[in-house]
Amino acid sequence: GAGVSQSPSNKVTEKGKDVELRCDPISGHTALYWYRQSLGQGLEFLIYFQGNSAPDKSGLPSDRFSAERTGGSVSTLTIQRTQQEDSAVYLCASSLMVGGTEAFFGQGTRLTVV
Amino acid sequence: AQKVTQAQTEISVVEKEDVTLDCVYETRDTTYYLFWYKQPPSGELVFLIRRNSFDEQNEISGRYSWNFQKSTSSFNFTITASQVVDSAVYFCALSSHPRQGAQKLVFGQGTRLTINP
Repeated sequence: GAGVSQSPSNKVTEKGKDVELRCDPISGHTALYWYRQSLGQGLEFLIYFQGNSAPDKSGLPSDRFSAERTGGSVSTLTIQRTQQEDSAVYLCASSLMVGGTEAFFGQGTRLTVV
Repeated sequence: AQKVTQAQTEISVVEKEDVTLDCVYETRDTTYYLFWYKQPPSGELVFLIRRNSFDEQNEISGRYSWNFQKSTSSFNFTITASQVVDSAVYFCALSSHPRQGAQKLVFGQGTRLTINP
């Protein structure tokens, strides 16, 4: 597609359940980022992937969060044993290369943990 | 540590007024990048501008202009003759140079701009 695609657009889950959020980056973009946007914390970096390099996981808030990127393209962010504080909009972005080039963002997945 | 401060939480103006959104940043890096993004109600972050730390020239793009001043660590954004379609949340962001580590954007808290007809 022309832009970064995220699915689902909305997800409501019960506390304690696992969820998977998907991101399809722009074709040819080697860098992929996950961010979280919540009322209390604003926009926070979670993780990024660059080509075949080891991902930078320094922003993941706990070991319940993990992400993978298969074949250098699609990425899945997994949250295990969800908690209410995980409720947020999860944004994915991709860019041509790591560095100063602009990142293009998807519309996000709104996660609500009840 | 890197930090971006957008002191204005909300701004409301009448259409056709000029409005300036403030952004102040902190970084120990000598080379870095500054960005502005727009987030309309649809939720998608829209890239507006990137500026590297070596380029202090101000930039104008239509009704938008940016004033980068390293001496005050500021990267302010001005909309001239504002329009209702400019209503959105605007984020200023900072990232470090590739050699100095991971490329992650540090965002300000955002400024909600409302343009009233």
